[in-house]
Amino acid sequence: DGGITQSPKYLFRKEGQNVTLSCEQNLNHDAMYWYRQDPGQGLRLIYYSQIVNDFQKGDIAEGYSVSREKKESFPLTVTSAQKNPTAFYLCASTPTPGTTYEQYFGPGTRLTVT
Amino acid sequence: DAKTTQPPSMDCAEGRAANLPCNHSTISGNEYVYWYRQIHSQGPQYIIHGLKNNETNEMASLIITEDRKSSTLILPHATLRDTAVYYCIVREQARGAYSGAGSYQLTFGKGTKLSVIP
Repeated sequence: DGGITQSPKYLFRKEGQNVTLSCEQNLNHDAMYWYRQDPGQGLRLIYYSQIVNDFQKGDIAEGYSVSREKKESFPLTVTSAQKNPTAFYLCASTPTPGTTYEQYFGPGTRLTVT
Repeated sequence: DAKTTQPPSMDCAEGRAANLPCNHSTISGNEYVYWYRQIHSQGPQYIIHGLKNNETNEMASLIITEDRKSSTLILPHATLRDTAVYYCIVREQARGAYSGAGSYQLTFGKGTKLSVIP
């Protein structure tokens, strides 16, 4: 089946540690996105990538980093510089950059930092 | 982007049609109406979208009023698995590949929590 996978579903880290969240898609989509969702809140865009080897900051990129070395993969690193990293992280993709808001989402990773 | 207003919660009996309203009175001519839903602790799921004509797919129907100031998402035969928060979003179609981050961000409001009751 085609889709977006995120792993792990739950992740626990100590404060001060960097952590990388995985996002893989086999939909052959060009564009990929990372969002953060806090309890009772909507989505906030962290980073997005329209093509391989290119990515752009979203509204809340500080404390995060990404890479896009392969079309199907868009990992997100939450660094120790991110002040409030505990959140639900969602990865999404769209078939062609900039043409639609029909975004396909992964199941999410719930990160808890203590 | 036009703002949307949705009721905070609704109940629907299993097997009955669920009709979820959305007001978007400031919608402009080139803005589409999108519906997503989010089941607890899962990623959002695209449902349907439309510009001015009514739309139907395998999941739902979207009815947009003639003046486009409101719309209704219809789940024809609600099941327990349809219990979720439903989001109505109004946005322009993004204009090309490098339109900037604002073109891509999905801004979800608080949505409507639909509870399907056995």
